[in-house]
Amino acid sequence: KAGVTQTPRYLIKTRGQQVTLSCSPISGHRSVSWYQQTPGQGLQFLFEYFSETQRNKGNFPGRFSGRQFSNSRSEMNVSTLELGDSALYLCASSQDRGYYEQYFGPGTRLTVT
Amino acid sequence: AQTVTQSQPEMSVQEAETVTLSCTYDTSESDYYLFWYKQPPSRQMILVIRQEAYKQQNATENRFSVNFQKAAKSFSLKISDSQLGDAAMYFCAYRSLNNNDMRFGAGTRLTVKP
Repeated sequence: KAGVTQTPRYLIKTRGQQVTLSCSPISGHRSVSWYQQTPGQGLQFLFEYFSETQRNKGNFPGRFSGRQFSNSRSEMNVSTLELGDSALYLCASSQDRGYYEQYFGPGTRLTVT
Repeated sequence: AQTVTQSQPEMSVQEAETVTLSCTYDTSESDYYLFWYKQPPSRQMILVIRQEAYKQQNATENRFSVNFQKAAKSFSLKISDSQLGDAAMYFCAYRSLNNNDMRFGAGTRLTVKP
């Protein structure tokens, strides 16, 4: 099975712009979660989608949003980018049964200048 | 809300030796899952080992094993016969079965010395 894929892998944006990141989960996985990873804050949970519905949400401002499509692919959007949004954004997918372990993609490295 | 604490920001081990990484968590739930993930430098996060809370037997995956103490809410990872490829950031994670919430610790950076 193919693993979790994320596009693009690297992105450079300017303050005030918006960005959309994409994640394709492992085939058969219906849950997709997004995380922000920074050296200072570690791994922080953004949100989780399951069957096109947001099931959980972390403590991030409304500038961060996401969605999931019927094929379980997910996108996250960050509007009005700030310098502090520079981070590695990780996507993880999981089955909704068994151990519920998450499988991670390689991440998208976002740099905001 | 559940919290996961990794009290060792950095650890170091000699190649072929054994090292134990600590993890504690706080929860009022009785059933949940625990995981250890490994993130090598500039590489993808991968699952190392998993444990169900209702299983008393400690999980083992080759050179990796855990010491799960449910009453103490402790979930340590033991790496035996450490190899250079084990050098990575290790994250402990908790998965709630009530709300599917997944919480990660701050991570422990493991260095393996040749």
